[in-house]
Amino acid sequence: DGGITQSPKYLFRKEGQNVTLSCEQNLNHDAMYWYRQDPGQGLRLIYYSQIVNDFQKGDIAEGYSVSREKKESFPLTVTSAQKNPTAFYLCASSSPFLPGYTFGSGTRLTVV
Amino acid sequence: AQSVSQHNHHVILSEAASLELGCNYSYGGTVNLFWYVQYPGQHLQLLLKYFSGDPLVKGIKGFEAEFIKSKFSFNLRKPSVQWSDTAEYFCAVKDTDKLIFGTGTRLQVFP
Repeated sequence: DGGITQSPKYLFRKEGQNVTLSCEQNLNHDAMYWYRQDPGQGLRLIYYSQIVNDFQKGDIAEGYSVSREKKESFPLTVTSAQKNPTAFYLCASSSPFLPGYTFGSGTRLTVV
Repeated sequence: AQSVSQHNHHVILSEAASLELGCNYSYGGTVNLFWYVQYPGQHLQLLLKYFSGDPLVKGIKGFEAEFIKSKFSFNLRKPSVQWSDTAEYFCAVKDTDKLIFGTGTRLQVFP
């Protein structure tokens, strides 16, 4: 089945550590996105990539980094510079030929 | 840049009640509008979308939305809700090459 796989589903890290969230898609979509979901704040865009080896900052990119070395993969690193990293992170992808986005099931990151 | 406002943060209804969730976007021109739903523990799913044409859009599970250009609105409606509609609902607008989401509305439906 085609879709987006985010792993792991739950992630715990100590404060000050970098952590990388995985996002893989087998939909052959060109564009991929990372959103952060917090209660009462909806989904806020962190980074997005329209094509391999290119990506743009979203509204809340500070403290995060991404790479897009392969079409299928768009990992997100939450660095120690991110002031409030505990959140639910959603990855999505899209194709210009289909409406809307396909979302992964998310990773819940808790930093203690 | 576009922005989206959802004014209803938490809505509580009894089964069979009618539903209307508000969504306003910030500026006009050609807009692509979406409603997504997130059922507890599940992926975000597309409910319906508007790109052009008939401003009354029908989606899955009996939902519909009306695009009113003069009001910059795209409200979501359902004539009779069910307990299984309990979920969080997000309105979104396409801004050049990305989607901008609203803050979401949590709907609770009681039997």
